[in-house]
Amino acid sequence: GQNIDQPTEMTATEGAIVQINCTYQTSGFNGLFWYQQHAGEAPTFLSYNVLDGLEEKGRFSSFLSRSKGYSYLLLKELQMKDSASYLCAVRGAYSGAGSYQLTFGKGTKLSVIP
Amino acid sequence: DADVTQTPRNRITKTGKRIMLECSQTKGHDRMYWYRQDPGLGLRLIYYSFDVKDINKGEISDGYSVSRQAQAKFSLSLESAIPNQTALYFCATSDSSRETQYFGPGTRLLVL
Repeated sequence: GQNIDQPTEMTATEGAIVQINCTYQTSGFNGLFWYQQHAGEAPTFLSYNVLDGLEEKGRFSSFLSRSKGYSYLLLKELQMKDSASYLCAVRGAYSGAGSYQLTFGKGTKLSVIP
Repeated sequence: DADVTQTPRNRITKTGKRIMLECSQTKGHDRMYWYRQDPGLGLRLIYYSFDVKDINKGEISDGYSVSRQAQAKFSLSLESAIPNQTALYFCATSDSSRETQYFGPGTRLLVL
């Protein structure tokens, strides 16, 4: 089975740093995605990790530990526009026809306050 | 122009009506997906297609059907809409390598 856990909501202050955690138990592992979704809009791709370690992309970084089934998304120098939901998605077991099962977490709603 | 488009963007219908949601993409991807999103439940996969001749059920396919008319077009039908199908529906595409998914803007559906 697939299980992905993220905190439901978080609040942080403009200019600060926030870490959004994601833990997973999946049948197989072939990569982890983070998406950003503003209210009422489409999810947009932020990052992809398949090997252990930290991937940095501007103000956003994503970390993966495969042995712990754990990832986090780190947002630095928070801006008001970062208020959104952040979705963790795990690419799990091979599902045939050259594809892998992708399971989304329920998302973490981040509110950035002045 | 948007790479993945969905029509309509908003739709109100009545219980028992048949409706179709359409998705088109210009990304040249073979793989297309339909999801629904409900508050507190996250994104759930309805159907997916890896090419024009391939259709697969997802986690919650009951009450839905799909048609892949061309590589660039994938439509979702609700044969007889019911109120618990009220949700935000997203179409997505991906390539066959890393399978990063790219989402359309969504269709907000209300079934009365």
